[in-house]
Amino acid sequence: ETGVTQSPTHLIKTRGQQVTLRCSSQSGHNTVSWYQQALGQGPQFIFQYYREEENGRGNFPPRFSGLQFPNYSSELNVNALELDDSALYLCASSDLRDNRPGNTIYFGEGSWLTVV
Amino acid sequence: DAKTTQPPSMDCAEGRAANLPCNHSTISGNEYVYWYRQIHSQGPQYIIHGLKNNETNEMASLIITEDRKSSTLILPHATLRDTAVYYCIVSLFSGGYNKLIFGAGTRLAVHP
Repeated sequence: ETGVTQSPTHLIKTRGQQVTLRCSSQSGHNTVSWYQQALGQGPQFIFQYYREEENGRGNFPPRFSGLQFPNYSSELNVNALELDDSALYLCASSDLRDNRPGNTIYFGEGSWLTVV
Repeated sequence: DAKTTQPPSMDCAEGRAANLPCNHSTISGNEYVYWYRQIHSQGPQYIIHGLKNNETNEMASLIITEDRKSSTLILPHATLRDTAVYYCIVSLFSGGYNKLIFGAGTRLAVHP
């Protein structure tokens, strides 16, 4: 148990629709990152939120957006879904209080998104 | 792009030590080496991480070479439940955020 919880665990959407995935970070963790893992591949960094601001982004288009709330929980929103968006979406939390590298990062179990 | 190189697969007998190698020859001075594992369809599980000193916890040991260009994850007494994909990751810390760059990992199969 990492204390990182995600919902929903599985969902199916139609191409062109929008989806919102949710994440509750481990208690005391102020930073949330989102990763996309396509079948058979390693996770790919989407973006990170720290103190409710996006402070880092991977190579994903603007239709991937997010929010972080004052309680450090987070949402990942994907607009105009495409078939290639089908993947496991992972949330990871960490404590960047010291704003230094080398902190421990814990992942949730993920949300499986299927786009048809 | 992943900054690590790992063998695609390894086998280990139950009860024996599993030694998983990783090359990270381009690692920078302040980049950490992380190890995670992923059991089928679950989220990555944190194992251990380190900068330049060897590290040990209840799950594993991490041995980093003196030049930091390679490391080895050691599971001292492998069990069937250790069968998983193991990722060696060099963490990129830039602009105040920590980005884990995953490669393809090593698929470890522990057999009876």
